[in-house]
Amino acid sequence: KAGVTQTPRYLIKTRGQQVTLSCSPISGHRSVSWYQQTPGQGLQFLFEYFSETQRNKGNFPGRFSGRQFSNSRSEMNVSTLELGDSALYLCASSLDGGTGHKGVSGNTIYFGEGSWLTVV
Amino acid sequence: GQSLEQPSEVTAVEGAIVQINCTYQTSGFYGLSWYQQHDGGAPTFLSYNALDGLEETGRFSSFLSRSDSYGYLLLQELQMKDSASYFCAVRDGNAGKSTFGDGTTLTVKP
Repeated sequence: KAGVTQTPRYLIKTRGQQVTLSCSPISGHRSVSWYQQTPGQGLQFLFEYFSETQRNKGNFPGRFSGRQFSNSRSEMNVSTLELGDSALYLCASSLDGGTGHKGVSGNTIYFGEGSWLTVV
Repeated sequence: GQSLEQPSEVTAVEGAIVQINCTYQTSGFYGLSWYQQHDGGAPTFLSYNALDGLEETGRFSSFLSRSDSYGYLLLQELQMKDSASYFCAVRDGNAGKSTFGDGTTLTVKP
């Protein structure tokens, strides 16, 4: 089955602009999460959506927002872009991810190829 | 808060065995995962431990000790293609919300 699909793959924006990134999870996956990865850094959790509801949120300013649609597709938006927002934005999906799951299948998150955002 | 520590770099030769350690401090714990990421690529899932002990998947094994808040990834019979960054991640709630370490860059030399 198709993997996690993210669009666009590459984009360049100017400071002050806003950007919307899109993510289509693996078919049947209801949990979609977003991470920011900067060069040489680990992955910083942005937020997670499940059944159109934001279930968890990381420590990012309010300029970062997201949403999930009824088909589980998700978008994230960054407003008033800053130079420091330049990063790889990764979307990940998982089967369910509820805290009751102990097995590998319920705990594996699958990443998309990411969207490379450059702010100039 | 949550934090994970892993070495920043490891170098080994082809055919060797390498162990990448990860210690963690989290408010909740549901499991430790390992991911591999090649330059320019997406992180890909390698293994997951929810209980103490060793999990083996081919050349890769992962170990967890919850009492020590410690785990490791063991890579055997190293190949050049194993050169990549390896991240440990702790699931401290829903699976989609994981805290990642800063990654270990593994360089495999001939």
